[in-house]
Amino acid sequence: KNEVEQSPQNLTAQEGEFITINCSYSVGISALHWLQQHPGGGIVSLFMLSSGKKKHGRLIATINIQEKHSSLHITASHPRDSAVYICAVSSYGNKLVFGAGTILRVKS
Amino acid sequence: NAGVTQTPKFRVLKTGQSMTLLCAQDMNHEYMYWYRQDPGMGLRLIHYSVGEGTTAKGEVPDGYNVSRLKKQNFLLGLESAAPSQTSVYFCASSDLPGSGANYGYTFGSGTRLTVV
Repeated sequence: KNEVEQSPQNLTAQEGEFITINCSYSVGISALHWLQQHPGGGIVSLFMLSSGKKKHGRLIATINIQEKHSSLHITASHPRDSAVYICAVSSYGNKLVFGAGTILRVKS
Repeated sequence: NAGVTQTPKFRVLKTGQSMTLLCAQDMNHEYMYWYRQDPGMGLRLIHYSVGEGTTAKGEVPDGYNVSRLKKQNFLLGLESAAPSQTSVYFCASSDLPGSGANYGYTFGSGTRLTVV
């Protein structure tokens, strides 16, 4: 069993829809990270969470430490949000262990 | 702000050749990392460094060496390239955990390496 599990693996949404991507982890962590990668592109850090909730523009990330679960929400989705979203957790040495990623496609 | 700069962006090597990938960061981060990304395998840690002069093995260190002689640079070396090392390599840096600063990650733009 992977230490970081994401769901769904693939997600297709219509422009304007509310999107949720889930992440569960099985190890002790110091923080959880949400990353974005566009096709053929680099990796951008969206959020780093150790508790509660963070919001940036149309993106919201939450974490429940007791349940070892995090969600990434995208409100009013747009085709430019199409990307791979990766959940990762950090522990000793701030090293990251990554989930497999969620491929999001937003259609106009 | 340059952030994390990786060079080169693309490279084709023949089996057995050697090369060095350079990563430079201008954010005064203590921690630096090399990851590789392969289809179906996700991102995996090769080596990392928690400060100048220190290095440590990650999940997939075989066939690679690293050096961190200066705080801002982290070099990844392939002594004798193999086709299994065909991958996209990402360098990253981060703040010290618990420093109170934002210790999210900053990634480089990646190096696409093909070994033939």
